Amino acid sequence: GAGVSQTPSNKVTEKGKYVELRCDPISGHTALYWYRQSLGQGPEFLIYFQGTGAADDSGLPNDRFFAVRPEGSVSTLKIQRTERGDSAVYLCASSLVGGRRFYNEQFFGPGTRLTVL
Amino acid sequence: GEDVEQSLFLSVREGDSSVINCTYTDSSSTYLYWYKQEPGAGLQLLTYIFSNMDMKQDQRLTVLLNKKDKHLSLRIADTQTGDSAIYFCAESRGSASKIIFGSGTRLSIRP
Repeated sequence: GAGVSQTPSNKVTEKGKYVELRCDPISGHTALYWYRQSLGQGPEFLIYFQGTGAADDSGLPNDRFFAVRPEGSVSTLKIQRTERGDSAVYLCASSLVGGRRFYNEQFFGPGTRLTVL
Repeated sequence: GEDVEQSLFLSVREGDSSVINCTYTDSSSTYLYWYKQEPGAGLQLLTYIFSNMDMKQDQRLTVLLNKKDKHLSLRIADTQTGDSAIYFCAESRGSASKIIFGSGTRLSIRP
């Protein structure tokens, strides 16, 4: 597909469990972002990858949250010991950063709705 | 700190103009954005404005930026039922940087 894809679209888990959320960016996009959107709120930044490395992880709320992008393409957001407060829609975005480009739009995926019971 | 504030609701009559207002706190903001989110749909970039611009017009959309007051507005001319959505004001320091979003303004259209 041409856009950012995220799997699963919905995930229901129990408190204390471990979950992994996957993001497939647009092919060739070097930058990848994770955001979290709680009900009634705007998206909140979590982490930004440029290539394989995390360029900014200042939005990760605590050490239960971790994200990887080992080959500079697909990324996985990992949440350990889930809590009810982690329930939200997790959004991924990608962007083609670099070169002489003046503006780099972030293209958002449809999100994964995580529900922690 | 970085904060973006906007009113939660706006109701307008079909055919009228809608004006959604936003204030932000980060004086280092370089890009200001308006995003649209419809139920069941993804986040769609409507338009953006660079911080050295005062105004940007794109068909029915007009964005006004008052950098001194850190105030951004989005005007939608001839509002249609298809414009019903949540509109997010947002800012970033660079286009590769994290985007800081407001809580969104829900626009509803009256017949």
